[in-house]
Amino acid sequence: AQKITQTQPGMFVQEKEAVTLDCTYDTSDQSYGLFWYKQPSSGEMIFLIYQGSYDEQNATEGRYSLNFQKARKSANLVISASQLGDSAMYFCAMREVYSSASKIIFGSGTRLSIRP
Amino acid sequence: DAGVIQSPRHEVTEMGQEVTLRCKPISGHNSLFWYRQTMMRGLELLIYFNNNVPIDDSGMPEDRFSAKMPNASFSTLKIQPSEPRDSAVYFCASSLPSVPGERGGLETGELFFGEGSRLTVL
Repeated sequence: AQKITQTQPGMFVQEKEAVTLDCTYDTSDQSYGLFWYKQPSSGEMIFLIYQGSYDEQNATEGRYSLNFQKARKSANLVISASQLGDSAMYFCAMREVYSSASKIIFGSGTRLSIRP
Repeated sequence: DAGVIQSPRHEVTEMGQEVTLRCKPISGHNSLFWYRQTMMRGLELLIYFNNNVPIDDSGMPEDRFSAKMPNASFSTLKIQPSEPRDSAVYFCASSLPSVPGERGGLETGELFFGEGSRLTVL
């Protein structure tokens, strides 16, 4: 069974510093996708970044990058030069690809607070 | 293009009443998911559909919960009778399939979320 673990319930980071949010996953499949979503206090879920299990290079999207270590089954999100607007809940998620129908499960989330 | 549309945005009801939450997925998406979010339990997958067919409803908490998808553009999540512990934000999300892409990678199959329905059962 697939599982996502986020071990950091909350983090405080100084503005402009880089921050790494941890995510480990468990799956027996070879084909899967990993996602990070941001949920600000307003409640909407915002897609940030995606990494496919076959991708050899780490995904990057602007200030977001995904540190993908397949052997360790980890997919940490790195936010460079943090901003006050980065304060939010961050969720790691995984989707197994064994058919055209597959579910997406989420970790418990990390609440990131950026200090000015 | 319109995103995933959920209604109502807020619902306050009394214990024992029936609650129906509605969702219109993004046109062309063939997978639809219902999640429940609470402080205690985080984001729980309740049920998901593929091509209007329920694939996995193992997350539905009990028989009081039911979900339908009569066509590709509409889904409902019903709670009957509702209880205070059902109070939560219910998210609907839709996606394209995550399948191997032509260039050897994977099509992402990312989820597109609605704004959620905040349910309070008194």
